[in-house]
Amino acid sequence: EPEVTQTPSHQVTQMGQEVILRCVPISNHLYFYWYRQILGQKVEFLVSFYNNEISEKSEIFDDQFSVERPDGSNFTLKIRSTKLEDSAMYFCASKGGTDTQYFGPGTRLTVL
Amino acid sequence: GENVEQHPSTLSVQEGDSAVIKCTYSDSASNYFPWYKQELGKRPQLIIDIRSNVGEKKDQRIAVTLNKTAKHFSLHITETQPEDSAVYFCAATIYGNNRLAFGKGNQVVVIP
Repeated sequence: EPEVTQTPSHQVTQMGQEVILRCVPISNHLYFYWYRQILGQKVEFLVSFYNNEISEKSEIFDDQFSVERPDGSNFTLKIRSTKLEDSAMYFCASKGGTDTQYFGPGTRLTVL
Repeated sequence: GENVEQHPSTLSVQEGDSAVIKCTYSDSASNYFPWYKQELGKRPQLIIDIRSNVGEKKDQRIAVTLNKTAKHFSLHITETQPEDSAVYFCAATIYGNNRLAFGKGNQVVVIP
């Protein structure tokens, strides 16, 4: 069964550094999402992406964040200048023609 | 925006007993309600979902009920087994490609 994959599984970075989190959605899916979960808190929506553009973003998704689909398979989340409060688990999800959003295993981002 | 609350935060049940997790939502426009199960270190997996045009849906030992008037929905697990031990997340959204609004998650522990 096809699955969403994410790399790396764990990323450690210094405050102020740029990070790129990578996702490979399920191949025939057209809708892509990023969510994050700070330890002990809710899973929070960051951004959705469709037809090569952002379709919706949350108030969390400020100018420090960007998303890109650089080729036909990858979907990336970039954080330009990381802050301590960006430390969280970041989940990518994709959706095809049904209601279901399929989640990746997550990338744990630790900002020191 | 949509706000989803989950209760209780932790639930311990004896193997074979039933477990019930309740969620409330705030946006009466929400019409799609998925439940995700997340085992330790693994991705969230959809286990059951319900649309607002039905009041109940069942899949083997798992059922979901929806009360649109009261704006709450519940996950029912019958004949619990140790492999049901996990964190369960409820979510709500307006059907389509929109964001999922998640609850905080319930840790279910099935005691053998």
